[in-house]
Amino acid sequence: GESVGLHLPTLSVQEGDNSIINCAYSNSASDYFIWYKQESGKGPQFIIDIRSNMDKRQGQRVTVLLNKTVKHLSLQIAATQPGDSAVYFCAETFSGSARQLTFGSGTQLTVLP
Amino acid sequence: SQTIHQWPATLVQPVGSPLSLECTVEGTSNPNLYWYRQAAGRGLQLLFYSVGIGQISSEVPQNLSASRPQDRQFILSSKKLLLSDSGFYLCAWNLQEGAEAFFGQGTRLTVV
Repeated sequence: GESVGLHLPTLSVQEGDNSIINCAYSNSASDYFIWYKQESGKGPQFIIDIRSNMDKRQGQRVTVLLNKTVKHLSLQIAATQPGDSAVYFCAETFSGSARQLTFGSGTQLTVLP
Repeated sequence: SQTIHQWPATLVQPVGSPLSLECTVEGTSNPNLYWYRQAAGRGLQLLFYSVGIGQISSEVPQNLSASRPQDRQFILSSKKLLLSDSGFYLCAWNLQEGAEAFFGQGTRLTVV
């Protein structure tokens, strides 16, 4: 796994609006994808995951979409709240990799009042 | 339930001094263990991973080393710290048959 090494892209949304965070992954053999939320000074927390045999999965206020054709992953957050402000990372992994996670560069989400 | 402990939370060390960061996992057996580093405002870089006691794989050449003396203990070390070793270090674990990784709260290391 490796980091992209780029400064984080940012997304600002109004409180109550929906947020869409995008991620492009690199390995066509990846079969499991995870979204993490990282608040300042803390470790990443699991939000939602999806396996490669699915193209959509819903959780509480969050939906993950997977497009394997273009190797694209998105996280949709409904009715964004101030507590959603954080950095969001996508991660990919595949069987036989000791389940190492390869992380995307992350997106800084800021919720405006 | 499983928990992961990582300490210390913050550390300020002079250049050339040694380093030892410790991570322990409770409530599970034979986990995969990982050390990541995160520079400010950037993504996570995998440094080391271990699939068992005494088994360490290094992802990038560097000034650091890792050891796994016990099944649920993972240690990150350095004999002489460099300024470039500053960063946020995260320990994580997952199960051999699983995939989701669980992270510790991290150690903020500042080398001065």
